[in-house]
Amino acid sequence: KAGVTQTPRYLIKTRGQQVTLSCSPISGHRSVSWYQQTPGQGLQFLFEYFSETQRNKGNFPGRFSGRQFSNSRSEMNVSTLELGDSALYLCASSLVVGMNTEAFFGQGTRLTVV
Amino acid sequence: GNSVTQMEGPVTLSEEAFLTINCTYTATGYPSLFWYVQYPGEGLQLLLKATKADDKGSNKGFEATYRKETTSFHLEKGSVQVSDSAVYFCALSGGETSGSRLTFGEGTQLTVNP
Repeated sequence: KAGVTQTPRYLIKTRGQQVTLSCSPISGHRSVSWYQQTPGQGLQFLFEYFSETQRNKGNFPGRFSGRQFSNSRSEMNVSTLELGDSALYLCASSLVVGMNTEAFFGQGTRLTVV
Repeated sequence: GNSVTQMEGPVTLSEEAFLTINCTYTATGYPSLFWYVQYPGEGLQLLLKATKADDKGSNKGFEATYRKETTSFHLEKGSVQVSDSAVYFCALSGGETSGSRLTFGEGTQLTVNP
């Protein structure tokens, strides 16, 4: 069974640009969550999608957005990039939504903003 | 709101030493508790979980017990190996947040020397 696939693995962007990251969940999983990991702030929740609907949103500015497609694949977009957006972005998939549900993480996309 | 506090790191041990990584949490109700491990260049892997008070999660020699009275979920291993070197994250879901959203601690870097 394939794991969670995130593409690309590495990305370098310039301030002011926008970027789209992709996540393919484990087959059969319908919930996808996104997290930002930085040395200073640690792991912070961005948003969660289930059945193409955003179910939860973290405390990030509107420049951060996401969506989920009918095949459960998800994308997140960051517009008007800032230096502080440099981070490892992790996607996690779960079978369903729920506090006891195990989340399976991808290897992440390392975004560097210069 | 929900929060997780882990012992300050990094932790350096010799092979076969006993490991304890402390984790305490703040949340209303009965959250689910998790330990995740992150190896260099990788995403997070679930190590163990507990979903109700007094539950003990265990995996690969690691154990943690959900202590409601002390709001703690300390990670222990009787004899660590070099291959256990990684960053360990304590996390919770539930409490004041819905869905599968995870709140993480700061992470503890463990280095095991031969």
